[in-house]
Order: sequence, then C-alpha cells, then structure tokens
Amino acid sequence: GAGVSQSPSNKVTEKGKDVELRCDPISGHTALYWYRQSLGQGLEFLIYFQGNSAPDKSGLPSDRFSAERTGGSVSTLTIQRTQQEDSAVYLCASSSLSVAAPAGGTQYFGPGTRLTVL
Amino acid sequence: SQQGEEDPQALSIQEGENATMNCSYKTSINNLQWYRQNSGRGLVHLILIRSNEREKHSGRLRVTLDTSKKSSSLLITASRAADTASYFCATARDTGRRALTFGSGTRLQVQP
Repeated sequence: GAGVSQSPSNKVTEKGKDVELRCDPISGHTALYWYRQSLGQGLEFLIYFQGNSAPDKSGLPSDRFSAERTGGSVSTLTIQRTQQEDSAVYLCASSSLSVAAPAGGTQYFGPGTRLTVL
Repeated sequence: SQQGEEDPQALSIQEGENATMNCSYKTSINNLQWYRQNSGRGLVHLILIRSNEREKHSGRLRVTLDTSKKSSSLLITASRAADTASYFCATARDTGRRALTFGSGTRLQVQP
C-alpha cells in the first residue's frame, strides 16, 4: 500500500504567522509520531499518538506547538506565531504497534515538510 | 537531549571498502534500530536488534549490540556509491515513551 505522505513538502512563512503541517500515515498503523530535524542534526521527538490513548506531548518545545489526530488517521501539526528557530524539516512516521511488535516499533517515515520561517 | 551518539560524525571511504559506524546510548533499551536518510528527507528503516540479541545480519549489513557497554555498531560491507547517506541509530525503551530516541547521525560518503 501507499507509504506515509506529508504536505506541503515545502513551506515558507513569515515570522509570526501560523502554519499547519499534515501527515497521512500508512493505513492501519495505530501509532503516529512527529519529529523535527534541524539542519545537519538528528531527529528531535515532538509528539506521539497511539490509538485512542492520550498523546505523549512531552517533546513539544513550547505551547505554540500543538497536534491532533482525527479519526485515528490523519494528523495535523500546528505551529502558532512561528519563530525563525522553528525552521527545520518536520518528519512524520507511523508504525503498527501490535502486542507482538517490539517497543518503539519499526517506523515508516514520510518525506518531511521543510519549514522556513523568514 | 539525544540519547544516542554516533561516531564518527562523518566518514569518507572508497567504493568496495567496509564502513563501520558506532552508536552509544545511555539508558536501558528494548531494542535498537538503524535508519538511513538520503538528502535530509525521510528515513528508511534498515535493521532492528533486540536487547537480548548480540548480532544481526541483513544483506551487506551487520549490526552488533553490547548492552553492557550500551553500544552498537553498524558495518556495511563492500560499500557502493549508492550507500552515500546519513545513518542514524535509534533506541526504544521498555517503558515510558514509545517514540524512538535518535542519535545525531553519521554522514557516510562513498567515493566511486
């Protein structure tokens, strides 16, 4: 089936504006993750959704960041009042965390959204 | 902060040579995974090794895990120019956060 898709692929915005990034996970995957990657750096965990459980928001850097996952499928990451330090590639991943799957599961990544805040 | 730290940060080799990348981590884990990233975009899963395993192979990839030293290595044998990419290790804990914790990556350049 189709892989994880993200939109837009690139987003340029002005400082202070709000942005929404979208992620379509692999159908049937119950777990969805958002990460952020600054230039030349590793991935920074932002938020994790698993089924109908409350999301793990422990990685969100400030209250300007929020995310939701509707109907257990599509997820939207919203950044309010964007700042220049928010510029990064935002990566979404999904996995199938069944009882038999190992903790953390094999994650399937989307191509990312490159956000540039001017 | 990043749990995993890769070493070296950058590696340049000739085609046909072997490439070895190392990863260290800090807390107990359920499993450790290696991912590859081309051109700063999406990551591709390469291999997963569980905490009770010591070595695993997949094609030209060999991964070792030493839980007593909290370290892992990824060996790519007979490298090809197409192996040029960034390689990341990621750890999954037994409890707590289910998301992976990624290291800072090794940038591998394979010269044709």
